[in-house]
This record gives sequence, C-alpha cells and structure tokens, in this order.
Amino acid sequence: AQSVAQPEDQVNVAEGNPLTVKCTYSVSGNPYLFWYVQYPNRGLQFLLKYITGDNLVKGSYGFEAEFNKSQTSFHLKKPSALVSDSALYFCAVRPGSARQLTFGSGTQLTVLP
Amino acid sequence: GAGVSQSPSNKVTEKGKDVELRCDPISGHTALYWYRQSLGQGLEFLIYFQGNSAPDKSGLPSDRFSAERTGGSVSTLTIQRTQQEDSAVYLCAFTQGEANYGYTFGSGTRLTVV
Repeated sequence: AQSVAQPEDQVNVAEGNPLTVKCTYSVSGNPYLFWYVQYPNRGLQFLLKYITGDNLVKGSYGFEAEFNKSQTSFHLKKPSALVSDSALYFCAVRPGSARQLTFGSGTQLTVLP
Repeated sequence: GAGVSQSPSNKVTEKGKDVELRCDPISGHTALYWYRQSLGQGLEFLIYFQGNSAPDKSGLPSDRFSAERTGGSVSTLTIQRTQQEDSAVYLCAFTQGEANYGYTFGSGTRLTVV
C-alpha cells in the first residue's frame, strides 16, 4: 500500500525568504506525485504534479517541486515566499496502477510579513 | 472548485439521523471520488466511481456509509445513523481523461453531528 509523510505540521517563513515543504512517499512501482493547496474555507486546489520526465516540475503561483527517486521525496519549494502563500499544503501519491490518491496529513504554511 | 458543486455546504445533524451529501460534477468526467477530511488530519479516501465499473468502496469506514452515482453524473453519499465521529468535511473530486492524473475538488460539505 502507498503512503505519504509530511513530517512538519507547521512551517513558518518570513516573507521574501525561500520556503520548503517536505514530503516523502512510499509506493510500489512508478509514482505519480501531486501537491495541492487549501485556503481557509475553500476546497483543494491543484498546484503541480510529477508523472514522468524532468525531476523538477513547475506549477502554479511560482511553486516548484523536485522528484528525488533515491530519497523517495517530492519537496515543494518557492524561491521567495508571499504572505498570500499562507495555507494548508497537501502532498499526494498514487502508483500508476491505482486510481485513488493517498494524501499526506498536510503542512500548515505561515508566511510572516 | 470550478466544475463541481457540492451541497449542502454546511450540515448540522443530530446523532442517529441519516444525511445525504450531494456532488454534481461537470458532464464528461471520467471518474468521481469521495474523500473525508477530519479536523487536523489529512484526506481519507472513501469511494470512487469510474464508468460502468463497480465502484471501489474500499475506503468506506463502516456499513453506515454508502454512495451512488446516478446517470454517470450526480453522486450522493449517504451516512446512516450518524455518529459524532462522522463530523468532518466531505470532499468530492473528479478527473477527466483516461490518464486520471489530477483531481478537481469541490468546496466540500462540512458535516457536524451533535
């Protein structure tokens, strides 16, 4: 069975500084990896995905993530954080053979002005 | 989220009552999923529908939970004899195309069992 770990419940970063939200996964076969963001009282919004190809994927709002197969990680990054990036971030994975996504427990990102 | 409507947005019910939650995705979607988001926890898969195949019910937590999708479109999640631990946000999502790469989520129904 697949699983996702987001080791940090909370990440705080100053506006303008780079941010990283960590994600590691366990899955058999080739993984499909995703990041979603949830703003207060709203549904989840898709940020980016890794299916195949370049390990560095770029997504919405200036976010990017790097697939590292040897470390089974898919950390979310942004070079310069904005206060408006403050939200709950979820990493998700599924093997190519499955349909449903398995989500991590989420990381609350707070960007301080 | 754009393309999927969930109703009601909020539901407060008494313990022991039955509730129905509705998901109305755009037409032409490939697969439809239900997830549950409990306070302080991640998303828990409940069930998904794809085409005319039998739904994957492997995530339903008990036999009090059931779901159906009528006409290949609108889906209803039913919880019978609700318990306080059923309180959560219930999210519906759909995918398009055969690859099913990513989900589009609805805004969810916040269920509170008192």
